[in-house]
Amino acid sequence: QVQLVQSGAEVKKPGASVKVSCKASGYTFTNYYMHWVRQAPGQGLEWMGIINPSAGSTSYAQKLQGRVTMTTDTSTSTVYMELSSLRSEDTAVYYCARDLFLIPAASYAFDIWGQGTMVTVSS
Amino acid sequence: DIQMTQSPSSLSASVGDRVTITCQASQDISNYLNWYQLKPGKAPKLLIYGASNLEAGVPSRFSGGGSGTDFSFTISSLQPEDIATYYCQQYDTLPRGATFGPGTKVDIK
Repeated sequence: QVQLVQSGAEVKKPGASVKVSCKASGYTFTNYYMHWVRQAPGQGLEWMGIINPSAGSTSYAQKLQGRVTMTTDTSTSTVYMELSSLRSEDTAVYYCARDLFLIPAASYAFDIWGQGTMVTVSS
Repeated sequence: DIQMTQSPSSLSASVGDRVTITCQASQDISNYLNWYQLKPGKAPKLLIYGASNLEAGVPSRFSGGGSGTDFSFTISSLQPEDIATYYCQQYDTLPRGATFGPGTKVDIK
C-alpha cells in the first residue's frame, strides 16, 4: 500500500543540525511532489517547504529560508529534510506529506502522511 | 502574507448534531482551501480539497464550501470518532506556499 515511513525520534542541542528521512513505497516516487509540515507541542501545523523528488527542485517557507534543506534520493525513494542552527522553538513533530496531484500540477493538498518524527531541541 | 482565521476555536456538540466550522482568508484565495482532521498521536488526514471536493474514502457526512475569502466545513451528523481538531489550509503562490488556520477542537457534549 501507499505509505511514507520516517526515521526515528531525535534529540539535539541548540545550534546543531538534524536530518529526517522519509521513505516512500507503493507508488511511483518521482510522480508526486513531497512537502514537509511540522507541529510544535500544543501548537498548530506549519508548512515548511516542497521538493520535486525527480528534479530535486525546492521551495521553502520564508521563515525557514537559509536553515532548511530538502533533498531526494531516487535510488531509494527517499526524501530528506535537514534543519540547521536548531533552537528550542524547533522542537516539534516533523511530517513528510505527499501532494495529491501528479507532477507538474501541485495541489498543496497533502493526501499521504508519514508517521511523524519527534525532534527535541534541548541543552 | 495571507492570514487564516477559524471559528469557533472549540465546540462541544451531541452525537448526531450538525456541526459547522468557518475559515476566513485575509485576501481572495479562490478555492485553494483544504480541510484536515488531526487526532492526538496520529498524522493529519485530508478530508476536503479545493474547498468542496471530498477526498477518496472520506465519509459523506463531511462537506466543504465557499470561495474567495469565506469558507465553511460541515459534519452533517457528528459521530464519536469525529472527535478531533480540524484545520483549514490555504495555498498561495510560491514562495509563500501554504498556511494553516489555528484549528477548531471538536468534542462530544
